[in-house]
Amino acid sequence: DAKTTQPPSMDCAEGRAANLPCNHSTISGNEYVYWYRQIHSQGPQYIIHGLKNNETNEMASLIITEDRKSSTLILPHATLRDTAVYYCIVRVKGSSNTGKLIFGQGTTLQVKP
Amino acid sequence: GAGVSQSPRYKVAKRGQDVALRCDPISGHVSLFWYQQALGQGPEFLTYFQNEAQLDKSGLPSDRFFAERPEGSVSTLKIQRTQQEDSAVYLCASSLVTGAEQFFGPGTRLTVL
Repeated sequence: DAKTTQPPSMDCAEGRAANLPCNHSTISGNEYVYWYRQIHSQGPQYIIHGLKNNETNEMASLIITEDRKSSTLILPHATLRDTAVYYCIVRVKGSSNTGKLIFGQGTTLQVKP
Repeated sequence: GAGVSQSPRYKVAKRGQDVALRCDPISGHVSLFWYQQALGQGPEFLTYFQNEAQLDKSGLPSDRFFAERPEGSVSTLKIQRTQQEDSAVYLCASSLVTGAEQFFGPGTRLTVL
């Protein structure tokens, strides 16, 4: 699975959009980009995933560049409860792969009032 | 509905003791994963089950670590002769099918004195 690079920490004002970047320059054509987050003292929580098209759900939007070498997770209106460590993970999707997740260090997002 | 549950939530063991950590996955989920998370680090994969079959145990750090899922539901991670470096949060995750979104439990925090 491809390696990802994320900034170690970011701050965001409450109510503003949080834009979390991720570099995955060695991503393969069959690898998806997944985002999980981990709030303090909890297990990781799935947010969103995508292959090459932009994706949006009730939690966030995922923007993937055309060359797929980087992506951005967008939380449109960050709240204090969005303070967490955000992990960007790339992996092959489907039954041919066990599905194990390889976490990096992630980005610690601090949402401030 | 019920999510993934783990017990105990906290475990303190003296060095050399054996411990057993339990995971109750979401009912009907085929895949089950164990991860280890050291303080300040991202989770690291330990082992993977598809139903009762342990298909990947490449992440188990030593032969003191043993996992089982005899009936394809509840899983137990056993650590024999615990050492201080085993101190970590042990996370369990399940997914409906191989490669699908993983749902994590709250983890068991193990402290070895």
